[in-house]
Amino acid sequence: GAGVSQSPRYKVTKRGQDVALRCDPISGHVSLYWYRQALGQGPEFLTYFNYEAQQDKSGLPNDRFSAERPEGSISTLTIQRTEQRDSAMYRCASSLERQDLAKNIQYFGAGTRLSVL
Amino acid sequence: AQKITQTQPGMFVQEKEAVTLDCTYDTSDPSYGLFWYKQPSSGEMIFLIYQGSYDQQNATEGRYSLNFQKARKSANLVISASQLGDSAMYFCAMREGPFGEYGNKLVFGAGTILRVKS
Repeated sequence: GAGVSQSPRYKVTKRGQDVALRCDPISGHVSLYWYRQALGQGPEFLTYFNYEAQQDKSGLPNDRFSAERPEGSISTLTIQRTEQRDSAMYRCASSLERQDLAKNIQYFGAGTRLSVL
Repeated sequence: AQKITQTQPGMFVQEKEAVTLDCTYDTSDPSYGLFWYKQPSSGEMIFLIYQGSYDQQNATEGRYSLNFQKARKSANLVISASQLGDSAMYFCAMREGPFGEYGNKLVFGAGTILRVKS
């Protein structure tokens, strides 16, 4: 596609439910990143993939959060047993990640706004 | 210590005037990249401009330029000839380490809200 696509755009769930957030990166982009953005703050890194390999998951807040990218394209961020503190905007970004592209610009999707009641 | 500091929570500028949004950063790595993103009220995150730590010249992209002062560890965004559509939140971000070495995650500042007045 033309840009990074995230679905759903909005998700309202009850505390204790599991949610799955989807990210479809820009076609051909090797790297995919997940960030979480609280209201009025900058995004915070959660995890990232090169192809299907999860390279860094140091930003995942606890073991209720997991992510996968099984075929090196679409990725899913899953939050189990959601809590109210998980409410935030979840953003996905993708980049080319080639050795000759020092900039490695990350292009962001519109995000999924998660509200946990 | 904060990696990225944006000291201006909010800024106003008159239409057609220039405005500077401040960003200071903290890293001990000689290799890093600095980015500015725009977030309008619609919620998107739009890439504006990039500056590499080894770049000799300040980056420019249309009406956007980056005033990069390496010794002072500052990377201020300058928007010339402001337009009403420039009203948005602006984030400064940094990637530390040589390309590909540390995973390329971005660390963001808290942002500056810019309002352009007609």
